[in-house]
Amino acid sequence: GAVVSQHPSWVICKSGTSVKIECRSLDFQATTMFWYRQFPKQSLMLMATSNEGSKATYEQGVEKDKFLINHASLTLSTLTVTSAHPEDSSFYICSASGLAGPNTGELFFGEGSRLTVL
Amino acid sequence: GQSLEQPSEVTAVEGAIVQINCTYQTSGFYGLSWYQQHDGGAPTFLSYNGLDGLEETGRFSSFLSRSDSYGYLLLQELQMKDSASYFCGVGNRDDKIIFGKGTRLHILP
Repeated sequence: GAVVSQHPSWVICKSGTSVKIECRSLDFQATTMFWYRQFPKQSLMLMATSNEGSKATYEQGVEKDKFLINHASLTLSTLTVTSAHPEDSSFYICSASGLAGPNTGELFFGEGSRLTVL
Repeated sequence: GQSLEQPSEVTAVEGAIVQINCTYQTSGFYGLSWYQQHDGGAPTFLSYNGLDGLEETGRFSSFLSRSDSYGYLLLQELQMKDSASYFCGVGNRDDKIIFGKGTRLHILP
């Protein structure tokens, strides 16, 4: 069964509103979670690294005030897209490491959240 | 910075063998991972090479040469369900993985 659960799986919102996406690790503690973004038929672009109890580390070019990440517990990280615009429409996927041990190259991905901004 | 190169598309016949190559440039390299993603789905882990050489997992094998900054994924006995996108990714010591652009594998009956 799934070890990382993401919610909602899809969301449609109006331009200017904020959307929160949750990522939960099931039955294991994920000290680190990663948020990716994927446009249709394109690569997984790493947005940020989310560490429990500390500020997220954003990749170059990703607006931290636009994409708010909170990792309040060892099993939950949230991504909030603030003041969403149509260009923010994308597939957002979270992943967690640690279940298989460090440096195993194995990330467990959530099911993804498809955001459509009208 | 980091960069990965892999072919955008590969076509093979059911039952055959296909190899997907990946070259990379990165700092702080710990290992090379491979993931499969079907349309609309989440990526799933296939294989990882932390050391040079070949890793075999069922029909899938992966190879790494650190000196050449090169790796490949080998898929044997191709099945129609293997039609998907395959991503190589370079990982650092903090498990952060940067992915290539992906290779779309088309399998013909």
